[in-house]
Amino acid sequence: EVQLVESGGGLVQPGESLRLSCEISEFTFSLYWMTWVRQAPGKGLEWVASINNDGSAKFFVDAVKGRFTVSRDNAKNSLYLQMNSLKTEDTAVYYCARFGVTNALDVWGQGTTLTVSS
Amino acid sequence: QSALTQPASVSGSPGQSITISCAGTSSDVGAFNLVSWYQQHPGKAPKLLIYEGSKRHSDLSNRFSGSKSGNTASLTISGLQAEDEADYYCCSYAGSQIYVFGTGTEVTVL
Repeated sequence: EVQLVESGGGLVQPGESLRLSCEISEFTFSLYWMTWVRQAPGKGLEWVASINNDGSAKFFVDAVKGRFTVSRDNAKNSLYLQMNSLKTEDTAVYYCARFGVTNALDVWGQGTTLTVSS
Repeated sequence: QSALTQPASVSGSPGQSITISCAGTSSDVGAFNLVSWYQQHPGKAPKLLIYEGSKRHSDLSNRFSGSKSGNTASLTISGLQAEDEADYYCCSYAGSQIYVFGTGTEVTVL
């Protein structure tokens, strides 16, 4: 079964850093663009970052540019989101998702929760 | 990168049809045929329903259909069922490898 499993969420203080991971299984990871999407408590979905299949191109929403970076290790079937200078408004459930041949997010992980609070 | 505009809530009785609108601009919804729709039940991850405006994903029931007119996309659910009660989000390509989601619509089955 095609699966994405996020990990690394937790409680951090403003200004701190955290790295989220997403491990994939049962599909050829290196063929797909990947994304991170977040959802603040009680709010809607927000596209955070995208990375192309070989990691050479990365794109970010304005709200995280300069603070977040996305990377991948195709040999380890893993996607990462490095988050620095965290703000309280970064508090959210973070989902990794596969950008499929459908030009849409066709497989999603279950999400990992980040709470930024002092 | 402003969110697309959706109605906060839509409701209908079982068996009825409802339509959820997704208003964008000529830079996103109107510019590309790359609108997708997602269903999210409480506490769950979103699930892809419709891609490229009107194509059903996987074995999605034909009760779900997507369309677009100008800068506004729409999702129609016909034969409304209790299991359709969820949040629905549209999403559009906005150029330069950036995508933007809609504000989300809560669907209630009366």
